[in-house]
This record gives sequence, C-alpha cells and structure tokens, in this order.
Amino acid sequence: DAKTTQPPSMDCAEGRAANLPCNHSTISGNEYVYWYRQIHSQGPQYIIHGLKNNETNEMASLIITEDRKSSTLILPHATLRDTAVYYCIVRSSRMTTDSWGKFQFGAGTQVVVTP
Amino acid sequence: DVKVTQSSRYLVKRTGEKVFLECVQDMDHENMFWYRQDPGLGLRLIYFSYDVKMKEKGYIPEGYSVSREKKERFSLILESASTNQTSMYLCASKFGGTIWNQPQHFGDGTRLSIL
Repeated sequence: DAKTTQPPSMDCAEGRAANLPCNHSTISGNEYVYWYRQIHSQGPQYIIHGLKNNETNEMASLIITEDRKSSTLILPHATLRDTAVYYCIVRSSRMTTDSWGKFQFGAGTQVVVTP
Repeated sequence: DVKVTQSSRYLVKRTGEKVFLECVQDMDHENMFWYRQDPGLGLRLIYFSYDVKMKEKGYIPEGYSVSREKKERFSLILESASTNQTSMYLCASKFGGTIWNQPQHFGDGTRLSIL
C-alpha cells in the first residue's frame, strides 16, 4: 500500500471549514483513499473513502486531485466534537495473500477545534 | 449505522491467565478483524476472519488465537497472558467478502492491562 504524509497537527475555529491535506504521491491505480478519525479513548471512526472522483457524505467531503497524488478532507462546519486524530490511508482493492486484512494507520493529523 | 460492540472497555488480568475478548457486529458483515494499538506503533493486525469458522493470521498472531463460530461474533483469546500483551485491543468488521474497497468499522476498544 502507498505511504501517506499528513501534517502532524492543525487548529480550526468552531463553525469554520477544516481542510485536512494528505499526500500519497506513490498511489497506484487500484488504490483507494480512506479517511478515519479517532477521538481520544475511542475506536477509529470511518469518515469517507474514494478512488478518483470527489465524494461527499453527511460527515465530510473528499477532494482527490486529478493525478491522485494528494487529497483533502473537508469538514464543512467544524464543531468541538470534531477534535480528534485524523488518518489518511491508501490501500489496494486487489486480493493478494499479503494484503489480506492489511490496514496500517500512520501518525495522522491531530485536529483541535477551538471555540 | 454499523454497530461493533466489544464486551469490555477496561479489563485487568494477571500473568498466565487465559483471557477472552469478545466482539459482536450487527450488520451481517463477512469479515472481522482484531488489532492492537500501541503508542508509536499504530494499529497492528493480530488475526482476521473472512467468514464463519475461517481465520487467517495477521502480522502479530503469536500468543493469540481466535474463534468465529457465528457470523456476528469474533473472539480473541490470549492463551496465557503476559505483561507485553497490555494494550488497547480493537475489533473491526467490514462488508463485502472479497470486495476490499468497503470500509472497516471499529468498536470502541478494550483497554487490557496484564499485571
């Protein structure tokens, strides 16, 4: 799976949009981009994922560049409850012996939403 | 919404004990996973199951076993607990069998301490 790079931390004002970048310059054609977040002492929470088209759901929007080497997670109206570590993960949809169940989280971005 | 429930949030056991961690999901997912999460090491896959009574070793299976007798339940067993198994244990499930782009959904974790 491709490696991802995220800033270690960022602050966001409550009510404003939070834009979280992720670089995945070695992504290959069959790899998806996933975003998860983890609030302190809880399990990771799935947010959104995509292959090449932009995606939107009730939690967030995912913007993937045309060359797919980077993406941005957008939280449209950040609230205090959005304070968490956000993880960008790239993984293959191919079925190989080595990739069974492989799901590596990196260090993520610590997002702090302030009043 | 997907619900993955882990039987305990906190557990304290003694060295040498046999420990059972239980996980139940309510979405009829084929695939289930056990991870441990340690500071600086991220999530590491212990075992996974792609169907009832089927299991595969992950990256760190030593000292653990699993059981999947029913589709909704996946149990992690520490055969003889040791202090280096003190960790946060996370269960996850996903839909789709061999369709690997489906997201995993996590429980809130069990923080296990071995004394």
